[in-house]
Amino acid sequence: GQNIDQPTEMTATEGAIVQINCTYQTSGFNGLFWYQQHAGEAPTFLSYNVLDGLEEKGRFSSFLSRSKGYSYLLLKELQMKDSASYLCAVRGANAGKSTFGDGTTLTVKP
Amino acid sequence: DAGVIQSPRHEVTEMGQEVTLRCKPISGHDYLFWYRQTMMRGLELLIYFNNNVPIDDSGMPEDRFSAKMPNASFSTLKIQPSEPRDSAVYFCASSSTGAAANYEQYFGPGTRLTVT
Repeated sequence: GQNIDQPTEMTATEGAIVQINCTYQTSGFNGLFWYQQHAGEAPTFLSYNVLDGLEEKGRFSSFLSRSKGYSYLLLKELQMKDSASYLCAVRGANAGKSTFGDGTTLTVKP
Repeated sequence: DAGVIQSPRHEVTEMGQEVTLRCKPISGHDYLFWYRQTMMRGLELLIYFNNNVPIDDSGMPEDRFSAKMPNASFSTLKIQPSEPRDSAVYFCASSSTGAAANYEQYFGPGTRLTVT
């Protein structure tokens, strides 16, 4: 099976940097995704990591360490619109599907 | 592309009634997923299809739930009979295994189901 852990809630200040961590235990690994979900909306794809290291995409970066079963999503220059839930999802041995964590609700304050 | 299309967007029904949720995936995508999301249980995978064939339905709560995918552009999730505990947002998502794809999933807007 698969087990994915993320903090339930985080709070940060507008303009700051925040790091959202995700740890996982899986039988097989074929990639890790981060999705953003605003309240009342559907999840949207943010990033994908399959090799160790950092992937940067504008204000958002995602890091992966396969040996540690660890990933983080880094959000820079926080904006109020970044207030959302951030879901970590792992594609395991069965390449077709991903297992989602419970999500981290980020609140950005002025 | 219009993205994943779901209908209806909202459904309110009485306990015991049949509910049918519909999904049109993104053209060319070969995987289709049905999820249920609640505050208590988060995002749960109910069933997924590959090339219209059900691959894993272990997440379907019980026999009251059934899903079909008669062709590459249409899928349904049916609940019969519905119960109040089925109240949730149901998402359909699709993904591609094409050469440039990473299997990221594209979600529809969801159907908010309320069973009274």
